[in-house]
Amino acid sequence: KQEVTQIPAALSVPEGENLVLNCSFTDSAIYNLQWFRQDPGKGLTSLLLIQSSQREQTSGRLNASLDKSSGRSTLYIAASQPGDSATYLCASSSPTDSWGKLQFGAGTQVVVTP
Amino acid sequence: DAGVIQSPRHEVTEMGQEVTLRCKPISGHNSLFWYRQTMMRGLELLIYFNNNVPIDDSGMPEDRFSAKMPNASFSTLKIQPSEPRDSAVYFCASSSFSRSYEQYFGPGTRLTVT
Repeated sequence: KQEVTQIPAALSVPEGENLVLNCSFTDSAIYNLQWFRQDPGKGLTSLLLIQSSQREQTSGRLNASLDKSSGRSTLYIAASQPGDSATYLCASSSPTDSWGKLQFGAGTQVVVTP
Repeated sequence: DAGVIQSPRHEVTEMGQEVTLRCKPISGHNSLFWYRQTMMRGLELLIYFNNNVPIDDSGMPEDRFSAKMPNASFSTLKIQPSEPRDSAVYFCASSSFSRSYEQYFGPGTRLTVT
């Protein structure tokens, strides 16, 4: 069974510093990997989706990489801002799980201090 | 696109009452997922549907929980009878094969059972 781990559970950085968030998974046979953001009391917002054939995806200040051989994905957020404070979750789907079922990590809670 | 729509946004009920949560997926999406989120247990997948058919309900905690998807644009999650330990935020999400199963979440229903 796929297990997804996010370390650390919490992270605090000063404004302007680059953020590096880690996600590891045990089964390299993934279909895709998705990064989400969750603000307190809100739903999950999809940030980036990386398909198994891709090595990275970029959107604005966000860049996500995927290394299936090592079972890792990394989300980079450049020049962090206080508005980036949120919990970030990664999730993977497996070709053996039907219809896009996701296995979630527990998330990394990020605080960006002004 | 209106996104995934959930109702009600907040529900407060007394123990023993029936609770019905509703979800309208994004038009054209053919997979629908129900999740529950608590501080203690994190995000849990309860049940998911593909083309209106339940695929995996192994996450449904007890027989008190039931879910239906009578058509492609509507799903319900029912709890009968409700208990205080059912208090949580319930999320609905949808995805489609044509978009690599990228999941989109609704805003959630915050359920409080007193």
